[in-house]
Amino acid sequence: AQKITQTQPGMFVQEKEAVTLDCTYDTSDPSYGLFWYKQPSSGEMIFLIYQGSYDQQNATEGRYSLNFQKARKSANLVISASQLGDSAMYFCAMRDVDSNYQLIWGAGTKLIIKP
Amino acid sequence: EAQVTQNPRYLITVTGKKLTVTCSQNMNHEYMSWYRQDPGLGLRQIYYSMNVEVTDKGDVPEGYKVSRKEKRNFPLILESPSPNQTSLYFCASSLSIAGVSEQYFGPGTRLTVT
Repeated sequence: AQKITQTQPGMFVQEKEAVTLDCTYDTSDPSYGLFWYKQPSSGEMIFLIYQGSYDQQNATEGRYSLNFQKARKSANLVISASQLGDSAMYFCAMRDVDSNYQLIWGAGTKLIIKP
Repeated sequence: EAQVTQNPRYLITVTGKKLTVTCSQNMNHEYMSWYRQDPGLGLRQIYYSMNVEVTDKGDVPEGYKVSRKEKRNFPLILESPSPNQTSLYFCASSLSIAGVSEQYFGPGTRLTVT
């Protein structure tokens, strides 16, 4: 079974609008971590944000926030006030004890910001 | 500057010709890992290393070898490359595998095997 699912292969969003990128995960481990990375067309992987399963509050980093709904096993990335430079692939990843704490990755969502 | 370096960045080779992709980090990280990235499949882990002389298989280790003789270096070896190993390869490192310890990625190596 897929441990990390990103259901949106691609998205178009108007500049300055907020964007939500979906990520659902599957684990029976109560202790796990969720990560989001950005991959621009240049290819590098850029860490954006982390959410631990025991964290009481949703993680935020600048314009990035994580809508963490534990009961639904979802960890959606929200980008506020999108910019042209946000156009990229976005990957959700998880690590838990079942994966021996190795990162398991979703297939990614290609986000294109329209001017 | 803290970084993970990979060489070469681009490589075109022929089936069966042994090659090595080097990876080095200057952050004194314990943990290092190799991934391959293919369209629609995200990143898949090839091998990882928790520390010097400690390596373990990831999800797709067939056709690859690694070694970790020094903390900073983690080369990926393809003894007899085949066309299905054409991919984008990333090396990554992190301080540990606990908590918020993020992985730092190298710039990637685009390998084509003909």
